[in-house]
Amino acid sequence: QQQVKQSPQSLIVQKGGIPIINCAYENTAFDYFPWYQQFPGKGPALLIAIRPDVSEKKEGRFTISFNKSAKQFSLHIMDSQPGDSATYFCAASTGFQKLVFGTGTRLLVSP
Amino acid sequence: KAGVTQTPRYLIKTRGQQVTLSCSPISGHRSVSWYQQTPGQGLQFLFEYFSETQRNKGNFPGRFSGRQFSNSRSEMNVSTLELGDSALYLCASSLRQGTETQYFGPGTRLLVL
Repeated sequence: QQQVKQSPQSLIVQKGGIPIINCAYENTAFDYFPWYQQFPGKGPALLIAIRPDVSEKKEGRFTISFNKSAKQFSLHIMDSQPGDSATYFCAASTGFQKLVFGTGTRLLVSP
Repeated sequence: KAGVTQTPRYLIKTRGQQVTLSCSPISGHRSVSWYQQTPGQGLQFLFEYFSETQRNKGNFPGRFSGRQFSNSRSEMNVSTLELGDSALYLCASSLRQGTETQYFGPGTRLLVL
């Protein structure tokens, strides 16, 4: 019940495309859902986060869509650029600081 | 403001040895969490410290331990290293305990031979 399932495992899009990464969870106690971006050799960096009382949140080219009834949330990257090529992780927590991470999605944006 | 720093960045040890990793959180942050990242298991929570006390612990054996000092700096120790302990160990800091934004350091890459 503590798992966060993430798909797809890898994704290739052309520059300007809109990659979508999906995550699903079971634990209804989760109340915080961040997305992290990780480049090789670096630690994860927070991109954007959402709480269950909001269905959508936008920050720049990144949008989280949240479906509380389906227990799913997704990341959309608008106008993707080669510099967005990285591994993306969704995560969830219950307020006790312990982040449960998805398995990651390796995104490649081709020029 | 300086980010989370971790030392050393790379480490090579042999089975049976022990290792200590260090983490300095962002100035003013009082909560420090540790995560292990491996290709097979992904990112897994190890433990969290706040005000020098362990507040939460993941499902790792007792060989993994940690502590936090009064200046919020934290160390984690792994005793009797096993090959499977080879991983990237990440430290994350946040302002306080609870659901707060966590800022990750660059990690310490540990290789156990």
